[in-house]
Parts: sequence; C-alpha cells; structure tokens
Amino acid sequence: DARVTQTPRDKVTEMGQEVTMRCQPILGHNTVFWYRQTMMQGLELLAYFRNRAPLDDSGMPKDRFSAEMPDATLATLKIQPSEPRDSAVYFCASGLVGWSTDTQYFGPGTRLTVL
Amino acid sequence: QQQVKQSPQSLIVQKGGISIINCAYENTAFDYFPWYQQFPGKGPALLIAIRPDVSEKKEGRFTISFNKSAKQFSLHIMDSQPGDSATYFCAAEVGANNLFFGTGTRLTVIP
Repeated sequence: DARVTQTPRDKVTEMGQEVTMRCQPILGHNTVFWYRQTMMQGLELLAYFRNRAPLDDSGMPKDRFSAEMPDATLATLKIQPSEPRDSAVYFCASGLVGWSTDTQYFGPGTRLTVL
Repeated sequence: QQQVKQSPQSLIVQKGGISIINCAYENTAFDYFPWYQQFPGKGPALLIAIRPDVSEKKEGRFTISFNKSAKQFSLHIMDSQPGDSATYFCAAEVGANNLFFGTGTRLTVIP
C-alpha cells in the first residue's frame, strides 16, 4: 500500500530555531507539493516540484522558507529562522500529474508548534 | 483572494439524511474539480472528482453536481452516516498544476 510519508509527525521548537521537515513521495510520482494548513487560512500551497524541478514557490515566504528535492525519494521544507506564526500543519502530497489522473496523495502531515 | 468559495463552513445532518456542500469559482480555465475528505489528524484524501465535460458524477453515496454556466459545483452525500463526519474540501485545478482549495466544511452526522 504505497503512501506518502512525512517526518517528523510533531515538532515543537522555539522561535529562531531552524526546522526541517521531510517527505518521501510515492515511488514513481513525478510531482510533489508542500501545503500549510491553519484554521484561519485553510490549505495553502507553498511550493511544488515536477520531476524534481521547482515549478512554483510563490506561496512561500522566501526570506525564511526553502524547499528542495535532493533526489526523487526525498523532498524537504526548511524554515530558518522559525517564528510563532509558522505554527501549522504542513502537508506533503505527491501525484503522477499530467497522466490519466490529477490525484494528489497527501501524507499525514507535520504538526509544527513554534513557541 | 480565495479562488474557490465553499459553503457552509459547518453542517450538521441526521443519520440517513442528505449532506450538501457547495462551491463556486470564477476562473473559467479550471478543468478539474476534486473533492477531498479529511479526518482529524490525517491528510486530505481524494473522495471524488469531475471534469467540466459532464454535469454529474456518482460514486456510491457520493455525487458531484457540476453547473458550468453558473460556475458552481456541489457534493451530495446520500444516506449520510456517522463515519462520514469529517472536513470536506472542494478544489479546482488548471492544467494539471496546483490545486486551489476551498476553506472546508466540517460535517457532523448525528446518529
């Protein structure tokens, strides 16, 4: 049963610290998305990659957020320095976009709390 | 601005009743309209999806009705069950790129 995995599942950190979230997309999927979910803003797209190349990161605060795909099995989202307003659940999703289906498969999320 | 507007924000339905969630959009370039279901502590999961060349799609108890001229689409859950209690998100997409999500509807089905 292929699924997207994310680590860590929960992260509590102090303001100013660096946070790195990791995602392993489903093997063979060509597109990886990073979303942030908050009560106030709902689900927001932060960035996405196709075939490991960044396609759009306009949803990300560029001064502190960065997203990379060092290889096809790993996507990372880094926040440096973290701020309390970054507290949210961060989801990674992957998909075989552009073929017969546009389905995005979401991971379980990383719940980030910045104190 | 919100590309996809969703209502209601929350919905309470008796077991066996029909749950209806509505969404509206402005961008006529959208060509894929999925609905995602999210349980607490989990990521959203695709429930059902439609493309604008059809007006209705049914999968089991779940039906999407799509009105292209009005730029509206809705999710109908027939014979709602307590296990359907979750948050539902509509979304829209252009050309196999990023999804624009609605703000979500928290559905509670009372036994």
